[in-house]
Amino acid sequence: GQNIDQPTEMTATEGAIVQINCTYQTSGFNGLFWYQQHAGEAPTFLSYNVLDGLEEKGRFSSFLSRSKGYSYLLLKELQMKDSASYLCAVRGSPSNDYKLSFGAGTTVTVRA
Amino acid sequence: EAGVAQSPRYKIIEKRQSVAFWCNPISGHATLYWYQQILGQGPKLLIQFQNNGVVDDSQLPKDRFSAERLKGVDSTLKIQPAKLEDSAVYLCASSFTGGRKLGYNEQFFGPGTRLTVL
Repeated sequence: GQNIDQPTEMTATEGAIVQINCTYQTSGFNGLFWYQQHAGEAPTFLSYNVLDGLEEKGRFSSFLSRSKGYSYLLLKELQMKDSASYLCAVRGSPSNDYKLSFGAGTTVTVRA
Repeated sequence: EAGVAQSPRYKIIEKRQSVAFWCNPISGHATLYWYQQILGQGPKLLIQFQNNGVVDDSQLPKDRFSAERLKGVDSTLKIQPAKLEDSAVYLCASSFTGGRKLGYNEQFFGPGTRLTVL
């Protein structure tokens, strides 16, 4: 099975940087996704990591260390619209049909 | 490109009643997923279809939940009878291919149906 942990809540100031950590213990690993979910809306794709290292995409970056079972999502130059829940999701093994398992999400609140 | 469509957006029913949700995936997407997201939790996969066949329904409570994807396009998810603990948002997602292909294979989510069981 999959065990995915991420902090429940984080608060930061507009313009600041926030790092959301995700640790996972899985029976198989074939990539890690980060999704953003605004309240009452559908999750939207942010990033995908399958190899170790940092992937940068504008103000958002995602890092993966497979040996440590660890990823983080870095949000820079925070804006009010970044207030949302951020979901870490691990894709499982071929025997599990590469099923996505989600963490509970981290609610980020951006203050003015 | 139109996104994943779901209806209704909200539904309130009493326990022991029945309810059905509808999903229309992105055109050309072979794989369709139904997730249950309870407040404060991440989405949990209920069932995955590849075209009109079921790939994974291991976490679907089959005594009360059923789903179908006739003709490999639209899908319906039904709960009969509903329980209080079924109150959640039901998300439908689709992807171009199923999980059997390594790589990107991003899932696109619909807006969800918020179900409240009283």
